[in-house]
Amino acid sequence: GENVEQHPSTLSVQEGDSAVIKCTYSDSASNYFPWYKQELGKGPQLIIDIRSNVGEKKDQRIAVTLNKTAKHFSLHITETQPEDSAVYFCAASIGGGGTALIFGKGTTLSVSS
Amino acid sequence: NAGVTQTPKFRILKIGQSMTLQCTQDMNHNYMYWYRQDPGMGLKLIYYSVGAGITDKGEVPNGYNVSRSTTEDFPLRLELAAPSQTSVYFCASSYSGGANTGELFFGEGSRLTVL
Repeated sequence: GENVEQHPSTLSVQEGDSAVIKCTYSDSASNYFPWYKQELGKGPQLIIDIRSNVGEKKDQRIAVTLNKTAKHFSLHITETQPEDSAVYFCAASIGGGGTALIFGKGTTLSVSS
Repeated sequence: NAGVTQTPKFRILKIGQSMTLQCTQDMNHNYMYWYRQDPGMGLKLIYYSVGAGITDKGEVPNGYNVSRSTTEDFPLRLELAAPSQTSVYFCASSYSGGANTGELFFGEGSRLTVL
């Protein structure tokens, strides 16, 4: 079945450093790749997404890149701040016309000041 | 706007008991989903619905049932609770799906323990 692999599972950085989280997916028909941030005790919230017809998308300090040939996509956070500390999930749509998302296992990001 | 509301927030069940997790959304979204989250395992899709009267299985549907009689409500039923169903359950909704899958709006979760 469809699968999304996410690495690393934990990531610790100093405030101001960059953080990169990588995901690979198995279904070549997937065409939508969102990233969600989950703070303690809350539900996940969308922070950025990318569709298969785009290679890169930026929103202030966060960016996502997509390599459809290699079935890789990555989240880049620059100038990290303590409030970036959270669990981050990547996801991929199930098939080109898929109705739901398959999530990676999550990355716990810790930003120390 | 309340968004997606889940009840109860916490529940302890004995093995073999049944219960229903309630989910309601006030955004007039057609698509609704139930996920479970286990430590270190990410979010697994249990069931989803593309509209009232239509439901479909996700990755881990065994031991669960759903119904969708209205656009707003998407309850998840656990029959004969087992310790393996101890988890945090998240309901979510989205305006669009399929080839135009869009942002999922999640509730705050329901923590279920089966003893």
